[in-house]
Amino acid sequence: SYVLPQPPSVSVAPGQTAWITCGGSNIGSKSVHWYQRKPGQAPVVVIYYDDERPSGIPERFSGSNSGNTATLTISRVEAGDEADYYCQVWDITSDFPVFGGGTKVTVL
Amino acid sequence: QLQLQESGPGLVKPSETLSLTCTVSGGSINSGSSYYWAWIRQPPGKGLEWIGSIYYSGSTYYNPSLMSRVTISVDTSKNQFSLKLNSVTAADTAFYYCARLEFRSIFDYWGQGTLVTVSS
Repeated sequence: SYVLPQPPSVSVAPGQTAWITCGGSNIGSKSVHWYQRKPGQAPVVVIYYDDERPSGIPERFSGSNSGNTATLTISRVEAGDEADYYCQVWDITSDFPVFGGGTKVTVL
Repeated sequence: QLQLQESGPGLVKPSETLSLTCTVSGGSINSGSSYYWAWIRQPPGKGLEWIGSIYYSGSTYYNPSLMSRVTISVDTSKNQFSLKLNSVTAADTAFYYCARLEFRSIFDYWGQGTLVTVSS
């Protein structure tokens, strides 16, 4: 089945930028969605359809998708951004959803 | 605002059946259109895994890796859908989430999740 590698962890200082990648063969041809999951809370969509941001999500969150890599970018990182982030696509071949392994973002 | 809430036993014995219910509030499970209702799980230290989904009409589709052990059903009168996973083992220990799925697209609303431990 389709595999979406993500780095297990990313550490970033407050005020800096965090880049979280999601790899996949020709992922640029698919729509990528990103979820933020904090302990004890429901996962939240932070980016959908590659680069769309839901209402209520800060402009600091942005997304891009091209070639074999999709990227979630968190600018001006805040302590409250510390969470696990997951990418997700729909695998047309198997016709079901696939998630990346998740990236833990730690704010130093 | 749509809300989903999982409920069910937090401890299940090996070889028995795991049963969970998701109650939907703030909207109707009959919303139809392209929305399905889904179960997703995350074993400790591992990634998210889609278990299966159901349409309000009862049409289902499952992850092939779990298909032989999974049943998802819907009760529109109670605005609920349910998961049954039989013959569980320790490998089924996980956080279980329910979510709304825009078909072939995004999980736009999620429950908080519930931890189910398989142990004797």
